[in-house]
Amino acid sequence: SAVISQKPSRDICQRGTSLTIQCQVDSQVTMMFWYRQQPGQSLTLIATANQGSEATYESGFVIDKFPISRPNLTFSTLTVSNMSPEDSSIYLCSAVDEKLFFGSGTQLSVL
Amino acid sequence: DQQVKQNSPSLSVQEGRISILNCDYTNSMFDYFLWYKKYPAEGPTFLISISSIKDKNEDGRFTVFLNKSAKHLSLHIVPSQPGDSAVYFCAASALGGGSQGNLIFGKGTKLSVKP
Repeated sequence: SAVISQKPSRDICQRGTSLTIQCQVDSQVTMMFWYRQQPGQSLTLIATANQGSEATYESGFVIDKFPISRPNLTFSTLTVSNMSPEDSSIYLCSAVDEKLFFGSGTQLSVL
Repeated sequence: DQQVKQNSPSLSVQEGRISILNCDYTNSMFDYFLWYKKYPAEGPTFLISISSIKDKNEDGRFTVFLNKSAKHLSLHIVPSQPGDSAVYFCAASALGGGSQGNLIFGKGTKLSVKP
């Protein structure tokens, strides 16, 4: 099955700064997805990253806060902008290869 | 309001015994259900799934049961092994077949299997 490489695996950031998370899939996939898992909470879909068009955001998430790029069928980035401590979460990219599969996640702590 | 609920944050089981992880859902439009397993510092990995047209699906030591009238599903692991120790997430989809990315997840149940 396909594999997603996600980086960084973890980061500690200052409030007000931005962090870009990268995901590379070892095969072409039509759709990629970005999820967030806040402490003690379930995984929540942030947006669907579409190649060649703007990402589709779920309710409660906006492009200015979480800009996404999808330049080709194997790569996507998620930027967490103007970070605050409330953004401290695990961020996971994912894609569908028969079933939804995930990268290893980025543990983000915002001070 | 949570549409997928895993009411037990943790479960401890002796090696060789059965582990039963439970999941309840509220949305009657869900037609596909999945279980994922997550080890620390790794992403969730797909374990087993079931369509709403079935009430049971089995894969080796893992069996998922679906009770649509009760809006309840459960994952049985038998026999449990120490390597099964992980967080288990229940997920549901209303988009047909579970092959889309918009899954609704529960909060997870941490299973500990003791030798």
